[in-house]
Amino acid sequence: GENVEQHPSTLSVQEGDSAVIKCTYSDSASNYFPWYKQELGKRPQLIIDIRSNVGEKKDQRIAVTLNKTAKHFSLHITETQPEDSAVYFCAASGNDMRFGAGTRLTVKP
Amino acid sequence: GAVVSQHPSRVICKSGTSVKIECRSLDFQATTMFWYRQFPKKSLMLMATSNEGSKATYEQGVEKDKFLINHASLTLSTLTVTSAHPEDSSFYICSATAADNEKLFFGSGTQLSVL
Repeated sequence: GENVEQHPSTLSVQEGDSAVIKCTYSDSASNYFPWYKQELGKRPQLIIDIRSNVGEKKDQRIAVTLNKTAKHFSLHITETQPEDSAVYFCAASGNDMRFGAGTRLTVKP
Repeated sequence: GAVVSQHPSRVICKSGTSVKIECRSLDFQATTMFWYRQFPKKSLMLMATSNEGSKATYEQGVEKDKFLINHASLTLSTLTVTSAHPEDSSFYICSATAADNEKLFFGSGTQLSVL
């Protein structure tokens, strides 16, 4: 089955800096890669996703890149703001969807 | 976007009782629903996948007789934690997807505390 690894587990940045979270997956059949943001005790919210036929996707301050050959994908947040502080999960979906372990992002004002 | 409603949001119960959690898709037909368990500061762990009208598929290590899942309609799935014990205390979240859309829409979660 699919195995998703996510790094780092915690990330602290100054407001305005960029944040990068990386994930790797094992199943070459995976073709859909969403990213979720979860605030404490709340439901995960989809923030951006990418499919395997695309190498990069951007939505305002958020971008995701995908390297199918290397089986890794990354989330990039630019001009970070305190409200970006949350736990971020990557996921890979082929026959089923598996989540990474999560990254706790803290943006310091 | 699509809305998934999950109830109750918080349950406190005595050891040995059973607890039912409901997950409803409010504005779309959810052909598949998923149930997850989440420990503090940990990731979402898939417990089972349920398709409307058929038996749920449980992940390895998840007791099907302990966590009963019923997906009776295209808009409702329930998870019943039977004979709950303190070790069952956790945050349980459901998600749903429509047949033509692989995007997951999550419920708001249920915090279960077994005393």
